Amino acid sequence: AQSVAQPEDQVNVAEGNPLTVKCTYSVSGNPYLFWYVQYPNRGLQFLLKYITGDNLVKGSYGFEAEFNKSQTSFHLKKPSALVSDSALYFCAVRDINFNKFYFGSGTKLNVKP
Amino acid sequence: SAVISQKPSRDICQRGTSLTIQCQVDSQVTMMFWYRQQPGQSLTLIATANQGSEATYESGFVIDKFPISRPNLTFSTLTVSNMSPEDSSIYLCSVKSGNQPQHFGDGTRLSIL
Repeated sequence: AQSVAQPEDQVNVAEGNPLTVKCTYSVSGNPYLFWYVQYPNRGLQFLLKYITGDNLVKGSYGFEAEFNKSQTSFHLKKPSALVSDSALYFCAVRDINFNKFYFGSGTKLNVKP
Repeated sequence: SAVISQKPSRDICQRGTSLTIQCQVDSQVTMMFWYRQQPGQSLTLIATANQGSEATYESGFVIDKFPISRPNLTFSTLTVSNMSPEDSSIYLCSVKSGNQPQHFGDGTRLSIL
């Protein structure tokens, strides 16, 4: 079965510093991996995805994610955090056989001025 | 990406009553999904809404409790029936077409008294 794990409930970082939000996955076959962000009182917004190709994927709002097959990880990164990046972040994997998405437990990112 | 309108955005209901949530998309989409999200937590897939046929429900969710309609490729409804306080949650509509990522509405925040 497909699954993703986000080991950190919360990540705190100072504005201007680099940030990393961790995600590990377990899939059968090739992984289709995604990152979404959720701001208060909003639905999830798509940030980026990895299907195939370069291991470093660039997405919206300056975010990027690195796919590491040997470590089965897909960590979300940003070189310089903004206070406005504070939100709830979800990693997800797509099961192409059943066309379903499985979401991680979410990581709350707090960026302090 | 598709623009998804979900109504109502929030509601407070009495136990024992039912509420129907609407999801309207501005373009035809292949797949529509309904999720439940406890505040600050991850998403749980309720069902896949199928056009012109019965929805496909996930384990733990049944049609009598969560009837779903999808009369066409741009519209779906989810009804939460005979509500109890345990049904207090955020209900999210999402859509997907082809190789596009899944996109979400802003959700319906439901409280049961």
